[in-house]
Formats: sequence, structure tokens, C-alpha cells
Amino acid sequence: DSGVTQTPKHLITATGQRVTLRCSPRSGDLSVYWYQQSLDQGLQFLIQYYNGEERAKGNILERFSAQQFPDLHSELNLSSLELGDSALYFCASSVGGGGYYNEQFFGPGTRLTVL
Amino acid sequence: AQSVTQLGSHVSVSEGALVLLRCNYSSSVPPYLFWYVQYPNQGLQLLLKYTTGATLVKGINGFEAEFKKSETSFHLTKPSAHMSDAAEYFCAVRDLFGNEKLTFGTGTRLTIIP
Repeated sequence: DSGVTQTPKHLITATGQRVTLRCSPRSGDLSVYWYQQSLDQGLQFLIQYYNGEERAKGNILERFSAQQFPDLHSELNLSSLELGDSALYFCASSVGGGGYYNEQFFGPGTRLTVL
Repeated sequence: AQSVTQLGSHVSVSEGALVLLRCNYSSSVPPYLFWYVQYPNQGLQLLLKYTTGATLVKGINGFEAEFKKSETSFHLTKPSAHMSDAAEYFCAVRDLFGNEKLTFGTGTRLTIIP
């Protein structure tokens, strides 16, 4: 158990809908990262938040957005869902965001299925 | 941009045989390098990492990897495969400074033959 929790574990929805994925980082970790794992794209970085502020952005679609709240939990919002958004979404957390090495601990993921 | 290439999307080895999973990185400056393992229906677990210092890195579950700058490689090995090693393995890279994102390879699925 990495200490990173994600809810829900599974999510099944229809095209055009909007969903919210939630992540709680390990106690004391200030950075949260979101990754998407799909058959087409593999594992790719979406976005990072550090202490409530966006720190880095990757291949995140405009239909997707994220935020990190004062209690440091994070939410990833996916809207106007398409079949191709079906994937496993991982959250990871680390202690800092200062550029030096911080190990990222991964949650168990949320499996999103868009029908 | 940093990237890693994993040679072989599927590797099969007999139980007790040597495991060798290949990873090459693309960078003129040695980055941080990682191997992660993903068991079925589970998240990613860090096996080992290279940040600085010793080029032979030992990880969990008997795995190790050697950083070779001259070959831009970071291959993962285990002397004797066990059935419980069956999983998907990902090599990943991160810049030394700046963006902390991990860039993953395409993964290698390891099958152990009894």
C-alpha cells in the first residue's frame, strides 16, 4: 500500500458525460501528479500540482481539468467524454516540487470505461 | 524531450532462468532512471531507481539494473526468475532539474514458463 488513495476504483459512463476522479496523496506530500494509461497512448503524464498550484502540464486535453484543494487532495475532471478516454487514470504523490529528486508513489488507479 | 525505449513488448523466460529487460534512454545528460512493475489490476510499484552515485542499482525482489552511460542503457536483470515475477515492467526517465514528470517506456510484459 503506497498510501495514495484514489476513488472510485471503477467508473462506467456514457459518451458526452462528465466525471470526477479523486486522489488523496500520502500524508505530508505536497505534489500530486496525474497519469493516464491507455492501450493507444501507453502511460503518459497529464498534469502536476504542487501545494495547490499547477506546476507542470503534459498531454492533457482541453476537456480535462484538475485542481488541488487546500487539504492537498486533488480532483481530475473529465468532460464531454469520448470512447477514447477509456483508460486507467493514476494519481501519484511526492514530498516536494523543487526539482531535486522526489520519489513518486502511485495510487491503485481509477479505471474509466466510456460506453 | 526525454524518452526511453524498451526493446521487446513481450519476454518469456523459464522459471529459474535469467531475466533481462532492456531499456535505452535518449539524453546527452544522464537523467534519473527508474524501473516500475505493474501486477495485473494493480498500480505501479517502484522496483529501483538511478539518481546519482553507484551505477549498479539494487532493487526489491532481487532485481538490479546497471546504468551504462556509454550505451545510454539501464537494463533490468534478475538472476533467477520466479513465477511471481510475471507482470508488466516499465522503464521511466525524469529530467535532473525542472519538470518532475515521469516519461515511461511502452512496457514489457514478462511471462514466466513453469
